[in-house]
Amino acid sequence: EPEVTQTPSHQVTQMGQEVILRCVPISNHLYFYWYRQILGQKVEFLVSFYNNEISEKSEIFDDQFSVERPDGSNFTLKIRSTKLEDSAMYFCASSDEGSNYGYTFGSGTRLTVV
Amino acid sequence: AQKITQTQPGMFVQEKEAVTLDCTYDTSDQSYGLFWYKQPSSGEMIFLIYQGSYDEQNATEGRYSLNFQKARKSANLVISASQLGDSAMYFCAMRERGGSEKLVFGKGTKLTVNP
Repeated sequence: EPEVTQTPSHQVTQMGQEVILRCVPISNHLYFYWYRQILGQKVEFLVSFYNNEISEKSEIFDDQFSVERPDGSNFTLKIRSTKLEDSAMYFCASSDEGSNYGYTFGSGTRLTVV
Repeated sequence: AQKITQTQPGMFVQEKEAVTLDCTYDTSDQSYGLFWYKQPSSGEMIFLIYQGSYDEQNATEGRYSLNFQKARKSANLVISASQLGDSAMYFCAMRERGGSEKLVFGKGTKLTVNP
């Protein structure tokens, strides 16, 4: 069964540093997403990406964040100048257009900012 | 505005019994989808079941069924014959069709299955 792959599974970074979270979505999917889950809280939408551009972003997704699809397979989330409150699990997901089966989520990257 | 409400922060059930996890939603759209995901302690999000707003029958997937009451805007998950491995967080989510088709999640219910 196709998978969404996320790397790394866990990253520890110093406050103020930049991090790049990487994702390989399912190859024939058209929509790509990043979600965030602060420990013990609900999963929050960050950004969606379709047709090589951002289709929607939440108010969380400010200038500190950016996404790229640098080639045909990778989808990255960059967080500049990380803050302690950026510590969370970050999920990548991809979806078929009109899929009735929601998304396929990656297994997540746990980001710890110290 | 919060669109998905899960009122049960935690639920307990005895092994082999059935349990219902509540979910209500709010939308003005006619076309939408409702999803349940399981998140074990390892952290991954596992898709369980889907219900489309136009589906006339309640969705079922093995031991999971979705009690869809459109007029009440509720989409409760029923797990039959609970197993110890069902202990996890359960999230209800909604996707409004059109636009980015993002998912909006509820706060989740932590289910504990007791032996």
